[in-house]
Order: sequence, then structure tokens, then C-alpha cells
Amino acid sequence: EPEVTQTPSHQVTQMGQEVILRCVPISNHLYFYWYRQILGQKVEFLVSFYNNEISEKSEIFDDQFSVERPDGSNFTLKIRSTKLEDSAMYFCASSEVRLAGNTGELFFGEGSRLTVL
Amino acid sequence: LAKTTQPISMDSYEGQEVNITCSHNNIATNDYITWYQQFPSQGPRFIIQGYKTKVTNEVASLFIPADRKSSTLSLPRVSLSDTAVYYCLVGVGTNAGKSTFGDGTTLTVKP
Repeated sequence: EPEVTQTPSHQVTQMGQEVILRCVPISNHLYFYWYRQILGQKVEFLVSFYNNEISEKSEIFDDQFSVERPDGSNFTLKIRSTKLEDSAMYFCASSEVRLAGNTGELFFGEGSRLTVL
Repeated sequence: LAKTTQPISMDSYEGQEVNITCSHNNIATNDYITWYQQFPSQGPRFIIQGYKTKVTNEVASLFIPADRKSSTLSLPRVSLSDTAVYYCLVGVGTNAGKSTFGDGTTLTVKP
């Protein structure tokens, strides 16, 4: 079964450092998402990406965050200068884009745990 | 995007049927209802999706009344491994993912 893969599974960084989280979406999917989940809290939408551009972002996704599809397979989330409150699980998801009957099922990766010290 | 409301938690015992209801009063005509399961430290996993009436797959059933303002996820004969958080999301196409998951329902299955 095709799956979304994420690396690294766990990253520890110092406050103020830049972090890049990587995702490989399912190959025939064209719509990509990043979510975060702070320990014990909800899964929060960060950003959606389609056709090489951001299609929507939440208020959490401020100037510290950026996303990129650097090649045909990877989808990355960059946090420019990490803060303590960025510590969370970050989930990547992808979905198909169909001309009709697009029901929006999301396929999630296993997540990248970011710990900011 | 339709807001959803679910019970915060439910307890059950192994072998019982569990029904989790989600309210979505502002569901739009084209919206689908999708349920996800999440284990600790893992990404949410698709369980079932429906538009109206009843949908059944190998793990669950989904009941949707005619007004579509609520839905019920039914898990037959739960086991300890079904202990997880269950979320319902409402939307269609690419809009389905552009929302923060609700609080979800934490299901605890006891032996």
C-alpha cells in the first residue's frame, strides 16, 4: 500500500536554529498538507500546497514557516528560527486531486517530532 | 468549513459495539464526512467516509441520517487495540484538509 513518508522521525534543536522537515507524499497525489500537534492537543492545520504554491494557510503559519517542493517527490517544511513553542509533532499529508468525485481522503505520514531546547 | 462536535471520551469493553456520534450542523451540500483514527505518536489514519445513509467497510460502519447534520461511527466488537482518538472531519475535495481537527473522541477499551 502506498504511504506518506517523513524524515526525520525525531529532531532535537536549539532555539533559534533552522529546521527542515521532509515528506515524500504518495506519488500520484498532487495536494499536500502540513499539520502540527502539540503534545496532548489537537491536530492543527498549518498549510496546504498545490501546483507549486500555497493554496491556504492558517494563522499559525507565519513568516517563520515556509514550504517547498524542491523536486518531483519531496515536500518540505522549514522553520527559520525555532522557538520553544514550536516543539510538536509535525504531520505531512497528501490527497488525490480528481476532476470529479474528489472526496478529500487524507493520507498521513507517521510524523516528525521536533523538540526545541 | 463545518464545525464538528464529538464527545470528549468514551469507555467500552472488549467485544462490545461502540457508537461515536459527531454533530455537524453546518454541513454543506457537497461535503463528505470522514472519520480518522489516531494512536499516540502516530499520524491520523483514515477509517471510513460517507455522504449519506450507510457505509460499511471491513473495520467500521458509518450511519448518516437524512438531514446529514450528524453521523455515527460504529465499531463492531472492539478490542484493546481500538483504544485511540477518533476524529470526524467534514468537507469535500481539497477543502477537507484545510481545517484543524476537532477535539476528537478518546475511546478507551477495557479488558
